[in-house]
Amino acid sequence: QKEVEQDPGPLSVPEGAIVSLNCTYSNSAFQYFMWYRQYSRKGPELLMYTYSSGNKEDGRFTAQVDKSSKYISLFIRDSQPSDSATYLCAMSLFYNQGGKLIFGQGTELSVKP
Amino acid sequence: IAGITQAPTSQILAAGRRMTLRCTQDMRHNAMYWYRQDLGLGLRLIHYSNTAGTTGKGEVPDGYSVSRANTDDFPLTLASAVPSQTSVYFCASSADGNQPQHFGDGTRLSIL
Repeated sequence: QKEVEQDPGPLSVPEGAIVSLNCTYSNSAFQYFMWYRQYSRKGPELLMYTYSSGNKEDGRFTAQVDKSSKYISLFIRDSQPSDSATYLCAMSLFYNQGGKLIFGQGTELSVKP
Repeated sequence: IAGITQAPTSQILAAGRRMTLRCTQDMRHNAMYWYRQDLGLGLRLIHYSNTAGTTGKGEVPDGYSVSRANTDDFPLTLASAVPSQTSVYFCASSADGNQPQHFGDGTRLSIL
């Protein structure tokens, strides 16, 4: 079993839809949770960064962490064609040194006009 | 514009050849990382460096070496390339080991 599981999709939605992207994980020691967006032939770009449980909102994006269920989500409201990309979840332990990220496989999202 | 620069952007290489992928950051970040990204396997850590002068092994270090002579540069060397090293390689950096990582745009490497 992988430490971090993410449905690879692809996920196709119409413009304006609410998108829900999810990851589950097995290591209860993870403390830092991130969502990255990766456009084709580009590097991952940090979208959201949260520490421990709770919600964080940034514009149309909301990240949720439920440590009791070992489950994290990214919601995109009013989705746009420019949101079409691969979304990667990532998480890490609380390290004094070497904060190595564990990534999900990524979910490919397509938002149709 | 501050960020990470990787070179070359793509390369085709004969098996058995030596190759160094370059990575430079101008954010004065202490930590730097090398990942490879393969379809179905996601991003996997090859090597990392928490600060200049130190390096460590990641999940898939075999066949790769790194050095960190200064804060800004973190080259990745394939001593004798093999076809299984065909991949997209990403360099990343972070202020320290517990801060988010920022990525370059990758080097697409094909080993024939």
